[in-house]
Amino acid sequence: DAGVIQSPRHEVTEMGQEVTLRCKPISGHNSLFWYRQTMMRGLELLIYFNNNVPIDDSGMPEDRFSAKMPNASFSTLKIQPSEPRDSAVYFCASSLTVSTDTQYFGPGTRLTVL
Amino acid sequence: AQSVAQPEDQVNVAEGNPLTVKCTYSVSGNPYLFWYVQYPNRGLQFLLKYITGDNLVKGSYGFEAEFNKSQTSFHLKKPSALVSDSALYFCAVRVLTGRRALTFGSGTRLQVQP
Repeated sequence: DAGVIQSPRHEVTEMGQEVTLRCKPISGHNSLFWYRQTMMRGLELLIYFNNNVPIDDSGMPEDRFSAKMPNASFSTLKIQPSEPRDSAVYFCASSLTVSTDTQYFGPGTRLTVL
Repeated sequence: AQSVAQPEDQVNVAEGNPLTVKCTYSVSGNPYLFWYVQYPNRGLQFLLKYITGDNLVKGSYGFEAEFNKSQTSFHLKKPSALVSDSALYFCAVRVLTGRRALTFGSGTRLQVQP
C-alpha cells in the first residue's frame, strides 16, 4: 500500500488567497484525521471523519477553515482567506476503524502564507 | 480532558547506551497510549501502542515502552541507541470511549552521539 498520500507537499501563497490541501487515506481505512503542527502549539487535531462524516471539528480554528470528505478515498482541507498565522505543516492521518486506533500519517503539507 | 506531558525537550545519549524518553499522561478512564517518531521533513511513524495486557510493549526498531498505571507513565526505552534513532518522538493518548482523536505531547528530540 502507498500509505496516506497528501498533496501538495509544499505550498506558498499570499495572504488572502484560498488554499486547498488534499489527502488520500489508506484504502479500506474509514477514519480520517487532519492535524496541524507548529513550533508554538505542537500537533493539534483540526477535524476527523468517520465513514466520510465529520465527527469532531472542535479543533478547527475559525470559519476560514473547512474540510470535506466526499468519498472514502479523498478529503480536502480548505483555508479561505489564508493568513500568515496559518503557516504550518498540515498532516492527514487515517485508521482502519474507530476501534483500531493506530493512525497512519501522511508526509504532510508545508504551508507558507506570506 | 486528556493530556500528555513529555518533560524533556531534548535527550542526549551516546551510541550504544540505553535510552529513555519520558511520558506521563492524564485521562479519565483507561488509556490507549502510543509512541510515534518523526524524522526531519517526514510525517509521524507509528512505533508502538499499549491497549491492554502486558505492561511491557515491544515495537518497531527495537523500541519498547512500559505502561505504569500507578505512575501514569509510558516511558519509551531502547537498550542500545543508534545514531539513526535521532529524531523527534511523540507520546499520545486517548481513552476507550468518546473523542477518537489522539492527544499528543509536545515531543522530545532524541540526539544520539556517535
